[in-house]
Amino acid sequence: IAGITQAPTSQILAAGRRMTLRCTQDMRHNAMYWYRQDLGLGLRLIHYSNTAGTTGKGEVPDGYSVSRANTDDFPLTLASAVPSQTSVYFCASSGGHPANTGELFFGEGSRLTVL
Amino acid sequence: GQQLNQSPQSMFIQEGEDVSMNCTSSSIFNTWLWYKQDPGEGPVLLIALYKAGELTSNGRLTAQFGITRKDSFLNISASIPSDVGIYFCAGQNYGGSQGNLIFGKGTKLSVKP
Repeated sequence: IAGITQAPTSQILAAGRRMTLRCTQDMRHNAMYWYRQDLGLGLRLIHYSNTAGTTGKGEVPDGYSVSRANTDDFPLTLASAVPSQTSVYFCASSGGHPANTGELFFGEGSRLTVL
Repeated sequence: GQQLNQSPQSMFIQEGEDVSMNCTSSSIFNTWLWYKQDPGEGPVLLIALYKAGELTSNGRLTAQFGITRKDSFLNISASIPSDVGIYFCAGQNYGGSQGNLIFGKGTKLSVKP
């Protein structure tokens, strides 16, 4: 089934550890995004990539890094996790031109708890 | 930066009732979108609006792009239990490096059978 696959589904992590959340899409979409969802704050953009080889910072990029080596994969790395990074993380993609239509396809989410 | 004010934050309604929620902004947008998030899943696009004044329906859902381009509403008619979830509005302007898609904080809908 075409779509976005995120892994892991959930993870408990000790503070200070490094963690990479994986995201793969098979729709050949140009643009990919990472959002975090926190109660009362909605969806906030962490990083994005308009096309393979390019990335950009969103609203809350600090403490996170991304790479876009190819069209399909867009991993999100927490170099040294802190408790405030406890959240549900959603990867999304969009098939439009870099200006994109705003029509995003989301993954199922990765629930991360940092202790 | 741009912000969307989405209201209400939550709603508790009886099955069969109609629902209305809206989003407003101090800035104009070229596109308004409405997403629904079922519990434990990612958001799914419901309706996309591309023209000021546009009124679009998708089954029991109707959404409108405000004529001022600063607001949008979503109506759900004759609610059913599977309408439960969080509804997000989103506004977008073209030309930004990432499309400048801004999400509202969501409206949590609960439906009593």
